[in-house]
Amino acid sequence: DTEVTQTPKHLVMGMTNKKSLKCEQHMGHRAMYWYKQKAKKPPELMFVYSYEKLSINESVPSRFSPECPNSSLLNLHLHALQPEDSALYLCASSQIRDSSYEQYFGPGTRLTVT
Amino acid sequence: LAKTTQPISMDSYEGQEVNITCSHNNIATNDYITWYQQFPSQGPRFIIQGYKTKVTNEVASLFIPADRKSSTLSLPRVSLSDTAVYYCLVGAWTNAGKSTFGDGTTLTVKP
Repeated sequence: DTEVTQTPKHLVMGMTNKKSLKCEQHMGHRAMYWYKQKAKKPPELMFVYSYEKLSINESVPSRFSPECPNSSLLNLHLHALQPEDSALYLCASSQIRDSSYEQYFGPGTRLTVT
Repeated sequence: LAKTTQPISMDSYEGQEVNITCSHNNIATNDYITWYQQFPSQGPRFIIQGYKTKVTNEVASLFIPADRKSSTLSLPRVSLSDTAVYYCLVGAWTNAGKSTFGDGTTLTVKP
């Protein structure tokens, strides 16, 4: 199984809502990532988890809260978002070995904040 | 973090070989070079990764000169379905997973 799954595919939320994005992989990867991608732009790294511990937070606003309950699951909790947070949110996973890492990406969640 | 520079767009015709170059002048010793393909509204898909010299797999080749300040992705005999955005990514897990995508090259393959 070389697949990363993400749910939901689409999400529309108001600025006062609380919602969560979910990501799952069963490849035994011990690194998991959240990226944000705006239209016609490259993915921007938000968070990295290694061995279920947060290792990188790229100065992401606190209205985004990541969680890694176990080695297969990654969540992104959303609260009080702004319209400019509307984007495609991508999850990825990779092995941790030497310096190289081949990231497997999920299909993304298309988020619209109204 | 190494900054990467790619051409914004390229056009090609079916059956031709396409070469896309990525410039990464301040690549670090431990950094690997990885290329991804992305179709609209999908996640990027891994194409190929290399550290130095030449790497080849069933879909592409990656050429990296000795100074490693650039790399070239080579797609042999492209088809219409190769129309996509191609990103180069430079980084290393020893940098705690930090890496930066280039701005991407939009490849359009014409019949």
